[in-house]
Amino acid sequence: GAVVSQHPSRVICKSGTSVKIECRSLDFQATTMFWYRQFPKQSLMLMATSNEGSKATYEQGVEKDKFLINHASLTLSTLTVTSAHPEDSSFYICSARVRQGDEAFFGQGTRLTVV
Amino acid sequence: GNSVTQMEGPVTLSEEAFLTINCTYTATGYPSLFWYVQYPGEGLQLLLKATKADDKGSNKGFEATYRKETTSFHLEKGSVQVSDSAVYFCALSDYKLSFGAGTTVTVRA
Repeated sequence: GAVVSQHPSRVICKSGTSVKIECRSLDFQATTMFWYRQFPKQSLMLMATSNEGSKATYEQGVEKDKFLINHASLTLSTLTVTSAHPEDSSFYICSARVRQGDEAFFGQGTRLTVV
Repeated sequence: GNSVTQMEGPVTLSEEAFLTINCTYTATGYPSLFWYVQYPGEGLQLLLKATKADDKGSNKGFEATYRKETTSFHLEKGSVQVSDSAVYFCALSDYKLSFGAGTTVTVRA
């Protein structure tokens, strides 16, 4: 199946700093990429949907100035957590799909810890 | 907006038991429906999918039928194995890809 690579897998940062997470589709072109946040024993909360070359569409309650999403090419999307705080500590997961209605392929996730 | 409601569990079964996980959805239009599985320590992977009403998705002994009249996409397996222990997610795809709450399934030998 198609592969989505997400890096880093784990990151620890100091409060107030910014962290960038990359999501790459390795063997297909992803028109759409999704970013999720997963809390312990909870489902995936969709944060935003991004289409290549367009601004991301954020879900209600997600601060777009805090979670900056860039989808500059058909194989790369980035999520930057700006001015991170301990409450931003979580598991972030990206996924990518070719077209609407298709299955999406998932990265392995990034465990962010803000200290 | 579109949404997915999924039986949350957790569910604990003995090997060879029958498994059902209920999933219902609310949607405008005709979304595609999916079941994803997350095995311990791994990322999400597609288990099966259905793209239109009355389609049946199947894989690894699991089945789910897209029921437009009941807006459901229940997951079933006739005889589970220990290796089926995982978290199962129902998902709906149109413009967005939205997930149900996830159901943790534990199969005991």
